[in-house]
Amino acid sequence: AQSVTQPDARVTVSEGASLQLRCKYSYSGTPYLFWYVQYPRQGLQLLLKYYSGDPVVQGVNGFEAEFSKSNSSFHLRKASVHWSDSAVYFCVLSVASSGSWQLIFGSGTQLTVMP
Amino acid sequence: DMKVTQMPRYLIKRMGENVLLECGQDMSHETMYWYRQDPGLGLQLIYISYDVDSNSEGDIPKGYRVSRKKREHFSLILDSAKTNQTSVYFCASSLEGNTLYFGAGTRLSVL
Repeated sequence: AQSVTQPDARVTVSEGASLQLRCKYSYSGTPYLFWYVQYPRQGLQLLLKYYSGDPVVQGVNGFEAEFSKSNSSFHLRKASVHWSDSAVYFCVLSVASSGSWQLIFGSGTQLTVMP
Repeated sequence: DMKVTQMPRYLIKRMGENVLLECGQDMSHETMYWYRQDPGLGLQLIYISYDVDSNSEGDIPKGYRVSRKKREHFSLILDSAKTNQTSVYFCASSLEGNTLYFGAGTRLSVL
């Protein structure tokens, strides 16, 4: 069965530090992968997506993610975080299922950026 | 500007009352979704709608029903709300089928 694992429920980093949020997926076919961000009391917003091609995809606000088929991973990175990056980040796997798309959400990683 | 709008943003109801949550989108997206979000459980899919009057149950449809009479509107109905339906409800829409646009959510408390 398909699944998405975000092993770190909470991550705390200092402002200006680099960031990596981990995501592992389980799926035998071609994965479509997404990272969404949820700011307090808001809906989820798309950060970036990977369909195929270059394994490093760029997103908004300086975020990027790297797809690794061999490691079944799609880790999110940022070179220098800002306090406004504090939010919950969700890794999402999309798979084709019976003519439609099935979306599998990770449990989310709460990021806190300390000033 | 692409937008998914949810109304109301906050709602308090008593157990047994009926609840109507409304969602609108201005992108002419065919597919719309209702999720609920609870601490520790992430997002759970309640219903999915592929177009007007074409709705399918998600993972947790029990206690909910939906209505989609216009492509831009998707309603979630709780007939006789229960306390365990206290949650944050998110509506989303998609055009390509797997890139979702979310509303800001409705925080429902059932007392």
